[in-house]
Amino acid sequence: GQSLEQPSEVTAVEGAIVQINCTYQTSGFYGLSWYQQHDGGAPTFLSYNALDGLEETGRFSSFLSRSDSYGYLLLQELQMKDSASYFCAVPYSSASKIIFGSGTRLSIRP
Amino acid sequence: NAGVTQTPKFQVLKTGQSMTLQCAQDMNHNSMYWYRQDPGMGLRLIYYSASEGTTDKGEVPNGYNVSRLNKREFSLRLESAAPSQTSVYFCASSEGRDTGELFFGEGSRLTVL
Repeated sequence: GQSLEQPSEVTAVEGAIVQINCTYQTSGFYGLSWYQQHDGGAPTFLSYNALDGLEETGRFSSFLSRSDSYGYLLLQELQMKDSASYFCAVPYSSASKIIFGSGTRLSIRP
Repeated sequence: NAGVTQTPKFQVLKTGQSMTLQCAQDMNHNSMYWYRQDPGMGLRLIYYSASEGTTDKGEVPNGYNVSRLNKREFSLRLESAAPSQTSVYFCASSEGRDTGELFFGEGSRLTVL
């Protein structure tokens, strides 16, 4: 079967760095995506890693290790507006069937 | 450019009633999806359509039917609503070429009494 594991909650301080991990088990792997969702809103795409290594987009970076079935989202210079839920997602059994982890709620303290 | 549009945004049903959630995208995307999200939970895939003319079951298809009406539109139907189907429903679309990026609608909040 398929599974995506990520911590349910993470707390960090404004201005700090936080890492949100995701481990996965899928039938056929194509890549790992990350999404952000603010309360009451829709998920929005952050990044996608198809190959091993680190992808950087501004304050956000995403890492993938296919051999370890593991990835993480790194958020730097945390701002209060980064308080949200973050989801990892993978295509399962085909590139089109995309499933999500249960999400990590990030709370930021001043 | 509207992106992904869902209707209705809010709906209250009684147990046993039927309804259809409509979704349309204007990005010429090949793949479309329906997810449900319960409070404090992740998104669970109900059905998806990899391309026009095809539909496939996701993780939680029971109690739902879908129709890929054309490349733009993908509807979700509840034939006999149950309280367990109270949820927020999101429609999404993607190019379908392994870009990993889904574009989501604003969501439809459904309550079944």
